[in-house]
Amino acid sequence: DIHMTQSPSTLSASVGDRVTLTCRASQSVRTWLAWYQQTPGKAPKLLIYKASTLESGVPSRFSGSGSGTEFTLTISSLQPDDSATYYCQQYNNGWTFGQGTKVEIK
Amino acid sequence: EIHLLESGGGLVQPGGSLRLSCTASGFNFSNYAMTWVRQTPGKGLEWVTAVSRSGNTTYYADFVKGRFTIFRDNSKNTLYLQMNSLRAADTAKYYCAKAPVATIAYFDYWGPGTLVTVSS
Repeated sequence: DIHMTQSPSTLSASVGDRVTLTCRASQSVRTWLAWYQQTPGKAPKLLIYKASTLESGVPSRFSGSGSGTEFTLTISSLQPDDSATYYCQQYNNGWTFGQGTKVEIK
Repeated sequence: EIHLLESGGGLVQPGGSLRLSCTASGFNFSNYAMTWVRQTPGKGLEWVTAVSRSGNTTYYADFVKGRFTIFRDNSKNTLYLQMNSLRAADTAKYYCAKAPVATIAYFDYWGPGTLVTVSS
């Protein structure tokens, strides 16, 4: 099984900050990686797929990069609405989620 | 507009059974693979099971194999999850989600979820 590890577990930043979240896979998933945003009580929302492709309707301040075992999700200018937990998910071999990174606004 | 709506959750005793339903609208249901993902209270997301668009091919996480069955009725635009031999560890919010294509990859639309509590 492929294990996904996200870091940090929690991140606190100010509005306007550039924020980078990391997701590491226990073995290569090539670019078969997605990112989701989840706010409390709501379903996850797809942000990015195939490591760097922005889902339609997602603000351009979100971007993804990486391949193989290391991936990043970057928010170029943090907004209040971005306060959420972010999950990565691999779909190269089965389907596995990371444990999430909670982003808080200072 | 695409909508998914889960139902059937509730309180069940250990060893009991429950059937979840997910009603889909706003897209051609029979063209897309579907999945169930769960989230334990305060925890992260855990993939449970998936089914091909025809229903002929299914996939299961090891922790539900032999206990859960995923199936679909394309004539009713409905996805199901039959859960048997339930355990306390199965307590979670269960989401149904749609794959963006016929193959199962990432998930582009999710329902709001239904809560399953396994407790005596």
